[in-house]
Amino acid sequence: DAKTTQPNSMESNEEEPVHLPCNHSTISGTDYIHWYRQLPSQGPEYVIHGLTSNVNNRMASLAIAEDRKSSTLILHRATLRDAAVYYCILRDTGSARQLTFGSGTQLTVLP
Amino acid sequence: GAVVSQHPSWVICKSGTSVKIECRSLDFQATTMFWYRQFPKQSLMLMATSNEGSKATYEQGVEKDKFLINHASLTLSTLTVTSAHPEDSSFYICSARDPAGAVNIQYFGAGTRLSVL
Repeated sequence: DAKTTQPNSMESNEEEPVHLPCNHSTISGTDYIHWYRQLPSQGPEYVIHGLTSNVNNRMASLAIAEDRKSSTLILHRATLRDAAVYYCILRDTGSARQLTFGSGTQLTVLP
Repeated sequence: GAVVSQHPSWVICKSGTSVKIECRSLDFQATTMFWYRQFPKQSLMLMATSNEGSKATYEQGVEKDKFLINHASLTLSTLTVTSAHPEDSSFYICSARDPAGAVNIQYFGAGTRLSVL
């Protein structure tokens, strides 16, 4: 799977939007962009994924650059429970292989 | 989304004993499950891929005789840490892919924190 680059850490104030960036300049045409997050002392959980178009679900929005070399996970109103490590991972269409985790972004939400 | 249940969530054992961790897919059948290990302040590292009805595939550096994996059914995989030592203390996490689901989303158990005294 192609490599992604994320900031090590970010801070946000509670109830404000958070934009978590991810660079993936070597993304291939068949790679989906997946986001997972890991809350403290928990296993990772799926957040959202997309291919080319922006995506919205109940947890977050995913904005994908036109050239697909970067993407941004958007939490519209951060809560204290959103404090977690957020991982941006590329997955080839149809891949049944394991997820490979980088170091992710540690999001701290300030009350 | 699909649910993966992992048990126990926390275990303390004496050095030299064996510990079994169970991973179940509750609402889907998983022909493949993955076992990860995570040390404090580090990311998840894949230990092995568990295949139903066949031998597990281990990552380089992971001792297959120490970390026994059994995937006897489509909904259950077990990881047994044999003759555990303090350096095996870690957070163990299993995951499974719902083959009927969209775009290879993986679902994770809540993890098992192993402390070896």
